[in-house]
Amino acid sequence: QKEVEQDPGPLSVPEGAIVSLNCTYSNSAFQYFMWYRQYSRKGPELLMYTYSSGNKEDGRFTAQVDKSSKYISLFIRDSQPSDSATYLCAMSAKTGSGAGSYQLTFGKGTKLSVIP
Amino acid sequence: DTGVSQNPRHKITKRGQNVTFRCDPISEHNRLYWYRQTLGQGPEFLTYFQNEAQLEKSRLLSDRFSAERPKGSFSTLEIQRTEQGDSAMYLCASSFGAGGHLSTDTQYFGPGTRLTVL
Repeated sequence: QKEVEQDPGPLSVPEGAIVSLNCTYSNSAFQYFMWYRQYSRKGPELLMYTYSSGNKEDGRFTAQVDKSSKYISLFIRDSQPSDSATYLCAMSAKTGSGAGSYQLTFGKGTKLSVIP
Repeated sequence: DTGVSQNPRHKITKRGQNVTFRCDPISEHNRLYWYRQTLGQGPEFLTYFQNEAQLEKSRLLSDRFSAERPKGSFSTLEIQRTEQGDSAMYLCASSFGAGGHLSTDTQYFGPGTRLTVL
């Protein structure tokens, strides 16, 4: 079993729909949770980050973390064709100061297409 | 500041050749990471620098791979005696780690170097 599981899709929705993307994880040490968007043949672009459990909203995007269930979600409201991309969840176990790695563990990514 | 830059963007080489990639992080970012991404997969961690010190290496980083970050600025990743299995996108990320309990160490990625080994 991989540390982070993410359904690769593809997921196809009509323009204006609400999109729900999810990841589950097994490592209870993860405390930082991120969502990245990656367009074809480009580097990942940070969308949202959340520390520990809770919700965070930024414009049309809402990130949710439920550490008790080891489950994170990204919601996209009023989806646009420009949102068509691969969405990667990422997690880190490092919590703060001191030397050591803050390496990110990624899911496989979910490919999203928003149809006009 | 235009973000993390990587060169070259594409590299095609023959099996057995050596290749070197360069990453220029965001100015004043003290942490630099290398990841590898293959088709249909998320990025996988390779190695990490804090300033000029290489603090962690993944088991994915075989003896044929070496990374450096002289003077804590740009970094290079060299692959010796390339194999077809090395074909992938090599991503560099940088962050500013200020320390402290709420340090997020947000990592910003470059556009990647796509390596094809024939």
